[in-house]
Amino acid sequence: AQSVTQLDSQVPVFEEAPVELRCNYSSSVSVYLFWYVQYPNQGLQLLLKYLSGSTLVESINGFEAEFNKSQTSFHLRKPSVHISDTAEYFCAVTKAAGNKLTFGGGTRVLVKP
Amino acid sequence: DAGVIQSPRHEVTEMGQEVTLRCKPISGHDYLFWYRQTMMRGLELLIYFNNNVPIDDSGMPEDRFSAKMPNASFSTLKIQPSEPRDSAVYFCASRVHQETQYFGPGTRLLVL
Repeated sequence: AQSVTQLDSQVPVFEEAPVELRCNYSSSVSVYLFWYVQYPNQGLQLLLKYLSGSTLVESINGFEAEFNKSQTSFHLRKPSVHISDTAEYFCAVTKAAGNKLTFGGGTRVLVKP
Repeated sequence: DAGVIQSPRHEVTEMGQEVTLRCKPISGHDYLFWYRQTMMRGLELLIYFNNNVPIDDSGMPEDRFSAKMPNASFSTLKIQPSEPRDSAVYFCASRVHQETQYFGPGTRLLVL
């Protein structure tokens, strides 16, 4: 079975500052990794995913994450955040080509002006 | 595309009552997932279907919970009888083959 640990439950950050959200996973098999974002009172939206190939993946709104197999990590970064990035972010893992997503506990990002 | 549709968006009921949550997946998607989100336990997968057939219900908390998918465009999650500890946000998600899961807006359930 897979497991996911998001080390920070809350991350306050000032607007235009960089942010990093940490995610570590545990699995004995190859995995797919995902970051989802949940805005207040909404469902989860996919931010980016790693399935194979380049270990650096990017989203359309400036986020990026790097798959590090040796450290079993998939940290999410953004060089300059906006107020609109205030949300909860979830890291998730599934075994490669599997069906069951396992989510981390989530990290709340609060962007302050 | 309208995305995954869930109804109702909010439900308030009294302990002991039957609750039925509904989900319409994205057309053409062959997998459907039900999740529960609580502060204490985070996001948990309850059950998922493939081509309308339940594949894994190991996350269903107890016999009070049941889920059905009578056709490719509709699924229900039923709680009977409901208890206060069932209060949570319930999400439905769907996907096609091995692609990304798309989540609905959720149903916020409060059992008094």
